Amino acid sequence: DGGITQSPKYLFRKEGQNVTLSCEQNLNHDAMYWYRQDPGQGLRLIYYSQIVNDFQKGDIAEGYSVSREKKESFPLTVTSAQKNPTAFYLCASSIGGRGSYNEQFFGPGTRLTVL
Amino acid sequence: SQQGEEDPQALSIQEGENATMNCSYKTSINNLQWYRQNSGRGLVHLILIRSNEREKHSGRLRVTLDTSKKSSSLLITASRAADTASYFCATDARDSSYKLIFGSGTRLLVRP
Repeated sequence: DGGITQSPKYLFRKEGQNVTLSCEQNLNHDAMYWYRQDPGQGLRLIYYSQIVNDFQKGDIAEGYSVSREKKESFPLTVTSAQKNPTAFYLCASSIGGRGSYNEQFFGPGTRLTVL
Repeated sequence: SQQGEEDPQALSIQEGENATMNCSYKTSINNLQWYRQNSGRGLVHLILIRSNEREKHSGRLRVTLDTSKKSSSLLITASRAADTASYFCATDARDSSYKLIFGSGTRLLVRP
């Protein structure tokens, strides 16, 4: 059963704590992405990775960090430096490769709430 | 930065009617995609149209692209209650063919 999984589905964090959101894919995709979605809004890109051991900042990277040690995994850490972390976080992947048309496949999301 | 902007922001129609959503963007693109999101879920890819295509069909979906006007439309024919969702357009970014820029979405409600 191929796809992208995210865990946990709901996450609660106290102010000042770092939390890590998990994203795993078994689609053999090279590229992976993290987005943030606020209520009634579109998606904003946090970080993306085109290949293992490489990643780039998106539009709103401040207060977040990522790693890409394995092709299947792209965890996102929301640090205490992120001023307003309460949001819905979506992970996605795509085949990647130059010239690809970059259809993205999304996980079910993690809803993070700061208490 | 958001490139695509959908119009209308919200749309309410009766089951069986057609639903049309529009997307405008600012810079030149290689392709434009439409995605669907059910409430509280991830996005699902619906259709991709390349910059050299003008129209594309997939089941009850019809997408048009007008690069001279930098706009696209998504038509859902014979809508069903199950079509209730948010619909987003996404365009590829100039600096990277990997990145997509999403609009703010159209929330569609199909009344039974």
